[in-house]
Amino acid sequence: EVVLTQSPDTLSLSPGERATLSCRASQSVTNNFLAWFQHKPGQPPRLLIYGASRRATGTPDRFSGSGSGTDFTLTISRLEPEDFAVYYCQSYGAFGQGTKVEVK
Amino acid sequence: EVQLVESGGDLVQPGGSLRLSCAASGFTFTTYWMSWVRQAPGKGLEWVAKVNEDGNEKYHAGSLEGRFAISRDNAKNSLSLQMRSLRPEDTAVYYCVTDHDATFHSWGQGTLVTVSS
Repeated sequence: EVVLTQSPDTLSLSPGERATLSCRASQSVTNNFLAWFQHKPGQPPRLLIYGASRRATGTPDRFSGSGSGTDFTLTISRLEPEDFAVYYCQSYGAFGQGTKVEVK
Repeated sequence: EVQLVESGGDLVQPGGSLRLSCAASGFTFTTYWMSWVRQAPGKGLEWVAKVNEDGNEKYHAGSLEGRFAISRDNAKNSLSLQMRSLRPEDTAVYYCVTDHDATFHSWGQGTLVTVSS
């Protein structure tokens, strides 16, 4: 079973800055089946990106996903106040441990 | 609009059993795989189980050691999770999710299961 490792654990940034989150898989991800979720306290997780780079319905275009094989990236081009949250990558039955994007 | 409404979460003693349900609406339930995903307090997300469109294929996380069983009733647009031999580490919010494109597109609000004496 694939193991997903996210880095960094915490990212401290200011609104308007660019955020780059990494997800590394222990083995090559079949068909680039890698997704990204945003999770805020008291809410269910929200799918942002699937298939490594496809935006889910309603995902703003400041969010983009890239990568293939074992290395994947979620980029938020300019952080909005509502983007501060925990982000998880996922492939099949595995989730990464999460990256918290917090206000600097 | 996809709606998934979980119910059945409760406080239960270690060793006890509980059945969670999820009522689905707003989409063609019979054409989607469905899964349960959970999040323990202060922890990350964990996939629990999945079931195919007609209920004949089921998969459960190995860590559950056969204690949980997923099922669905397509006549009622309903998903269930039967949990037995519950442990304190099963304490979590349990989410009902649609499972397609190898990921989880739509999520319910979740139901809280607390295992404690």
